[in-house]
Amino acid sequence: SYDLTQPLSVSVALGQTATITCGGSNIGNKNVQWYQQKPGQAPVLVIYRDTNRPSGIPERFSGSNSGNTATLTIGRAQAGDEADYYCQVWDSSTAWVFGGGTKLTVL
Amino acid sequence: EVQVLESGGGLVQPGGSLRLSCAASGFTFSSYAMSWVRQAPRKGLEWVSGISGSGGRTHYADSAKGRFTVSRDNSKNTLYLQMNSLRAEDTAVYYCAKEEGSLVGSAETGFDYWGQGTLVTVSS
Repeated sequence: SYDLTQPLSVSVALGQTATITCGGSNIGNKNVQWYQQKPGQAPVLVIYRDTNRPSGIPERFSGSNSGNTATLTIGRAQAGDEADYYCQVWDSSTAWVFGGGTKLTVL
Repeated sequence: EVQVLESGGGLVQPGGSLRLSCAASGFTFSSYAMSWVRQAPRKGLEWVSGISGSGGRTHYADSAKGRFTVSRDNSKNTLYLQMNSLRAEDTAVYYCAKEEGSLVGSAETGFDYWGQGTLVTVSS
């Protein structure tokens, strides 16, 4: 099976840049998605195929992917960005795989 | 406007069965793969099962194999998940999610639309 590893929590000061990592074996060879989930709500896709933002997602959200680590970057962090963030890939053996999730706190 | 709406959740005893439904609208349902994703209380997301747009190909997580069956009725724009032999660890909110491609995982763009979820509680 294919596993994705995320930090349990990340903190960022208001207005600063947050980075959330997602580790996996040669994840740079896969397409990575990122989801934002606020309490009591369904997940929302914020990045697909490593770097692409769906319509309506602010430019402050960006992604990168190389080697064994994919990264979600949130610039000028706002209180409204506080949420759980999940990475996801498609693996031909395991099908869809989610990371364990990272709780982002904006201080 | 794309909408997906789950129903069918509830309280069921261990060993029991439940069928979830997901009604879709706002897009050509038969053209897109669909999946079920669950989230246990205070836990992360877990992909459960997926089905191609035609319904001809299905995929399951190991936790669902042999107990859950995914299906769809494209004439009714509805996705289903039949869950048998339910266990306490199946307790979760179950989400229905749409992919961009017609085969599960083919577009590798993830799930662009999600429902609000339906809660399944397995307890005696």
